[in-house]
Amino acid sequence: AQSVTQLGSHVSVSEGALVLLRCNYSSSVPPYLFWYVQYPNQGLQLLLKYTSAATLVKGINGFEAEFKKSETSFHLTKPSAHMSDAAEYFCAVSLGYSSASKIIFGSGTRLSIRP
Amino acid sequence: DADVTQTPRNRITKTGKRIMLECSQTKGHDRMYWYRQDPGLGLRLIYYSFDVKDINKGEISDGYSVSRQAQAKFSLSLESAIPNQTALYFCATSDPLAGDPNEQFFGPGTRLTVL
Repeated sequence: AQSVTQLGSHVSVSEGALVLLRCNYSSSVPPYLFWYVQYPNQGLQLLLKYTSAATLVKGINGFEAEFKKSETSFHLTKPSAHMSDAAEYFCAVSLGYSSASKIIFGSGTRLSIRP
Repeated sequence: DADVTQTPRNRITKTGKRIMLECSQTKGHDRMYWYRQDPGLGLRLIYYSFDVKDINKGEISDGYSVSRQAQAKFSLSLESAIPNQTALYFCATSDPLAGDPNEQFFGPGTRLTVL
């Protein structure tokens, strides 16, 4: 069965600092991996997705994530945090169409940005 | 206009009441999903539907029912609401013809409070 673990329910960084949000997955077959972002009072928006085409995936708003099979990780990074990055971030795993496109979400990490 | 809409956006109800949450989409997607979000638990799948004749239970379907009235409409009902159903509810869609990883697109959410 697939699962996702996000380390740290709350991360706080200073504006301009590196953002690192950690995600580890468990899957018996090669998974598809996603990062979604939820801004206050909004739905989830796709940040980026891993599809096996490239291990380093670039997303919107300057975020990127690297798929590391040996570490079963898919950590999200951004070189320089901006105040507008404050939101909740969800890592998610899917087996794709063959599994009814069901997505398993992590518990989320709330990112706060200090001025 | 938003591709996935949910009504109502906020609802307060009393224990024992029947309530329906509605989801409509203009994306033309066949697959639709209902999730609930609770703090620290991420999103959990309640029900999903491949088309109007195909309804499937998710991981937490007890106490809920759904109706797929048309390709574009998928409603979630709480037959007799209880306080632990207080949560943020999201509808999502996906397009099986888009290929893997078959990402999902989310509505803005409905905040439900059961007193």
